[in-house]
Amino acid sequence: DSGVTQTPKHLITATGQRVTLRCSPRSGDLSVYWYQQSLDQGLQFLIQYYNGEERAKGNILERFSAQQFPDLHSELNLSSLELGDSALYFCASSVLGRANEQFFGPGTRLTVL
Amino acid sequence: AQTVTQSQPEMSVQEAETVTLSCTYDTSESDYYLFWYKQPPSRQMILVIRQEAYKQQNATENRFSVNFQKAAKSFSLKISDSQLGDAAMYFCAYLDNNDMRFGAGTRLTVKP
Repeated sequence: DSGVTQTPKHLITATGQRVTLRCSPRSGDLSVYWYQQSLDQGLQFLIQYYNGEERAKGNILERFSAQQFPDLHSELNLSSLELGDSALYFCASSVLGRANEQFFGPGTRLTVL
Repeated sequence: AQTVTQSQPEMSVQEAETVTLSCTYDTSESDYYLFWYKQPPSRQMILVIRQEAYKQQNATENRFSVNFQKAAKSFSLKISDSQLGDAAMYFCAYLDNNDMRFGAGTRLTVKP
């Protein structure tokens, strides 16, 4: 158990819908990262937040957005969902910057039908 | 954009033997970090080992060691005395100030 929690564990929805994935980092970790793992594209970095502010952006679509709240938990919002958005979404946290070890949550499996 | 290439989609090793997983990357940066992550069937991502580019000495963690060749942009993982629990997907990852990228992964099978 890494100490990073993600909810829900599984999510099934339809195309065109909007969903919110939630992540709680390890106690004391200020940075939160979101990753997408799909079958044909491996693991892709989406976005990083540090102490409430966006720190780095990866291959995140405009339909996706994220935020980190004052209590340091983070939410990833996915809208206008497409079949290709079906993937495992990981959240990770670290104490400070990205060079530090990142602890991954168990992931949220999103299925878009 | 930085790319990370794992040229071996699948590898197999006999229990107690040694196996090496390959990884190459492309970058114009001089300061960066490299990682190997393990993803067992549980899908949990577990950090195996990390290497700072400015360090010439290869990182070692128990049975896991790396061969870091900065000029060749190569970062291979050696697993010694392989155990059944080492069976997993292994991802090589690159990190600099602006980006973090993962390779496509190598599926390692350990035969008893």
